[in-house]
Amino acid sequence: DIVMTQSPDSLAVSLGERATINCKSSQSVLYSSNNKNFLAWYQQKPGQPPKLLIYWASTRESGVPDRFSGSGSGTDFTLTISSLQAEDVAVYYCQQYYSTPPSFGQGTKLEIK
Amino acid sequence: QVQLQESGPGLVKPSQTLSLTCTVSGGSISSGGYYWSWIRQHPGKGLEWIGYIYYSGSTYYNPSLKSRVTISVDTSKNQFSLKLSSVTAADTAVYYCARAPSGSYFGDYWGQGTLVTVSS
Repeated sequence: DIVMTQSPDSLAVSLGERATINCKSSQSVLYSSNNKNFLAWYQQKPGQPPKLLIYWASTRESGVPDRFSGSGSGTDFTLTISSLQAEDVAVYYCQQYYSTPPSFGQGTKLEIK
Repeated sequence: QVQLQESGPGLVKPSQTLSLTCTVSGGSISSGGYYWSWIRQHPGKGLEWIGYIYYSGSTYYNPSLKSRVTISVDTSKNQFSLKLSSVTAADTAVYYCARAPSGSYFGDYWGQGTLVTVSS
């Protein structure tokens, strides 16, 4: 199974500042035949289901603000929020879907400083 | 707009079978193109993919739960279901149903989730 490890576990950022969350997979999630990284990012607020933000490592889901961006390839990935808003307080998860079982990182809790 | 809604008992006794149903609206399961999935989240913890079913009935189960899991689909009702047998307190979790585009396993639409507690 592929193990996903996020860092940091928690993060406090000032409003308007940049937030960066990292995700590392125990093996590459880059599929060479189509050059796609099988990596997604979700946002989860208390009492709500996860909300898909990013898939294929860098494709923003429809309706997601453009302050959210995903980058990286192979085993190392980053979710960046360019200018933190109050409504971005949440837990963020990465997930690989390169191989079964699909697996998630442990989550990163993002708070306002 | 696709919507998913879980339903089922919120309390199950140890050793019994947990049964949940997900009703899909705003889209047809039988149109294909998606894996209909179950995912759970232990209280205060991370996410675990339980398995999925395609409209044709083909399934995938997480090996960690495979011996206890059955996922089925009823296209006439636009529903799919989860059965987890021989439950213990370790199966207490919020259970989500979700849709994943075929060719991938990321959830683009999720139900609100339902808390199932295993306790006598």
